Amino acid sequence: QKEVEQNSGPLSVPEGAIASLNCTYSDRGSQSFFWYRQYSGKSPELIMFIYSNGDKEDGRFTAQLNKASQYVSLLIRDSQPSDSATYLCAVKGTNAGKSTFGDGTTLTVKP
Amino acid sequence: AAGVIQSPRHLIKEKRETATLKCYPIPRHDTVYWYQQGPGQDPQFLISFYEKMQSDKGSIPDRFSAQQFSDYHSELNMSSLELGDSALYFCASSPGRSSYEQYFGPGTRLTVT
Repeated sequence: QKEVEQNSGPLSVPEGAIASLNCTYSDRGSQSFFWYRQYSGKSPELIMFIYSNGDKEDGRFTAQLNKASQYVSLLIRDSQPSDSATYLCAVKGTNAGKSTFGDGTTLTVKP
Repeated sequence: AAGVIQSPRHLIKEKRETATLKCYPIPRHDTVYWYQQGPGQDPQFLISFYEKMQSDKGSIPDRFSAQQFSDYHSELNMSSLELGDSALYFCASSPGRSSYEQYFGPGTRLTVT
């Protein structure tokens, strides 16, 4: 079992819809959680991080964390074609700083 | 704003050759991470440095070594290259190893033929 697992893709939503990306992690001691967006051939770009249970909103993006269920999600409201990318969930555990990534979910937003 | 700089951006080597990848972190960032991303795969952590000392080690082959210098830039040295080493190599920097922030560089695409 991978330490960080994401819902299998690809995920396709129409423009203006809500895209929901999910991630589970195995290390109960994990402390902080990240969502990165990666366009093909480019480097990962940090979108959001969250470390407390509950919701965190930033513009069209909302991250949700449930440590009891070891689950973190990313909601993208009013999806745009420019949101089409691979979204990587990453988890920082108790080790000093390194991030463990999920396999990523490829999102396509259709005009 | 200044970003993480990696050089070279593209590198082509033959099997059994050596390669050196360089990473220049964002100014005042003291922590550097190296990741390897194969085609269609997620980034795999290789090694990290905090204040010029190795702070964590991941799935880095013994053929690879790395260090962080006094100016905080880091170099990843790769020897006896194999075809399977072909990948994108990302460096990320952080203002402290406990920081939530981690900024990735543009990556070095290494092709081993």
